[in-house]
Amino acid sequence: DAKTTQPNSMESNEEEPVHLPCNHSTISGTDYIHWYRQLPSQGPEYVIHGLTSNVNNRMASLAIAEDRKSSTLILHRATLRDAAVYYCIPHNAGKSTFGDGTTLTVKP
Amino acid sequence: GAGVSQSPSNKVTEKGKDVELRCDPISGHTALYWYRQRLGQGLEFLIYFQGNSAPDKSGLPSDRFSAERTGESVSTLTIQRTQQEDSAVYLCASSSSYGGANVLTFGAGSRLTVL
Repeated sequence: DAKTTQPNSMESNEEEPVHLPCNHSTISGTDYIHWYRQLPSQGPEYVIHGLTSNVNNRMASLAIAEDRKSSTLILHRATLRDAAVYYCIPHNAGKSTFGDGTTLTVKP
Repeated sequence: GAGVSQSPSNKVTEKGKDVELRCDPISGHTALYWYRQRLGQGLEFLIYFQGNSAPDKSGLPSDRFSAERTGESVSTLTIQRTQQEDSAVYLCASSSSYGGANVLTFGAGSRLTVL
């Protein structure tokens, strides 16, 4: 599994954009970059994934570096409900390893 | 159901007892994963099933832990002779594709407390 590095914690103000970085320098060429988040007392939920191109969905945007060694999850307008632990996971098949993630705190 | 279902949602047991945790994956999902999450910590991979292939058991912490899955259906995680350090939330996930964008859908978890 590719090793990932994410900041332990980040803070944001409500209604402001949030950029959550992830380094995955050992990613393999076939790994997709997945992002999940875990709200308090819940199981993780899928946020977004991509391979090479930047991706947008209703929840977030994913910006992938040209060399694919890093990516950034973008929440365009943080809400209090976005407070969670965010996990970045390069994955293709087989076991999927979650790191410690980034704890996002959103301040009103 | 539409999601991954886990039971029981909460289990309190005495040290030394055996426990079984059940996971019903989304119908048609060929891959199934078990994770353990201790309080305030991240997810620890336990075991991965893909169809009828031999499971990847590399994350099981000891021989007290075992898991079974028949085909692409229900999975059971068994912990024998439970210890207090086994107290955690046990999460199950399933996914529909082998390779490619292998998106996991998680259940709500089974919270195990060993007294």
